[in-house]
Amino acid sequence: ESVLTQSPGTLSLSPGERATLSCRASQSVRYSYLAWYQQKPGQPPRLLIYGASSRATGIPDRFTGSGSGIDFTLTITRLEPEDFAVYYCQQYDTSPITFGRGTRLEIK
Amino acid sequence: EVQLVESGGGVVQPGGSLRLSCAGSGFTFDGWALHWVRQLPGKGLEWVSFIAWDGSKTDYADSVKGRFTISRDNSKDSLHLQMDNLRPEDTAFYYCVKPYAAFVSFFDVWGQGIQVTVSS
Repeated sequence: ESVLTQSPGTLSLSPGERATLSCRASQSVRYSYLAWYQQKPGQPPRLLIYGASSRATGIPDRFTGSGSGIDFTLTITRLEPEDFAVYYCQQYDTSPITFGRGTRLEIK
Repeated sequence: EVQLVESGGGVVQPGGSLRLSCAGSGFTFDGWALHWVRQLPGKGLEWVSFIAWDGSKTDYADSVKGRFTISRDNSKDSLHLQMDNLRPEDTAFYYCVKPYAAFVSFFDVWGQGIQVTVSS
């Protein structure tokens, strides 16, 4: 099973700042089969990024995914108030599908 | 609008059973594989189960294998998860999810989820 480790656990930033979230896999993720989700309280997760760097429909271009192999990054430039949420990465290269434990992005 | 709506959750004693259902609308239900994903209290997400578009193939997380059974009724646009021999650690919010595209397992459509609580 591919274990995804997300860091930091919590990130405290102010609106307008840049956020960098990390996801490290215990084994190489082939074909960059890695996705990122955003979850707000009381809501299901929302797909942001797939294929490590492709934005899902309707996702603003301030969200950027990058990386390959075992190291992946979600960058959010110019944080907006609605961006403060929990972010999860997910690999869909190998079975079982696995998710990271999440990074909580909170307002400083 | 593509929509998934779960039902059937609730409180059950350890060792008991529950059957979750998921109604799909706004898309060609029988053209898509579907999955269940759960969210443990205060914790992250865990993939639970998968079923092919025609029910010919299924898969389960090791944590539920032998206790949970996924099925679907394409004539009624419905997905089910029969959960038997439930354990306290099965307590979670259960989501029905649809993949973004064929043959990939990341998800662009999520139901609102339903709570399952296993407690004596």
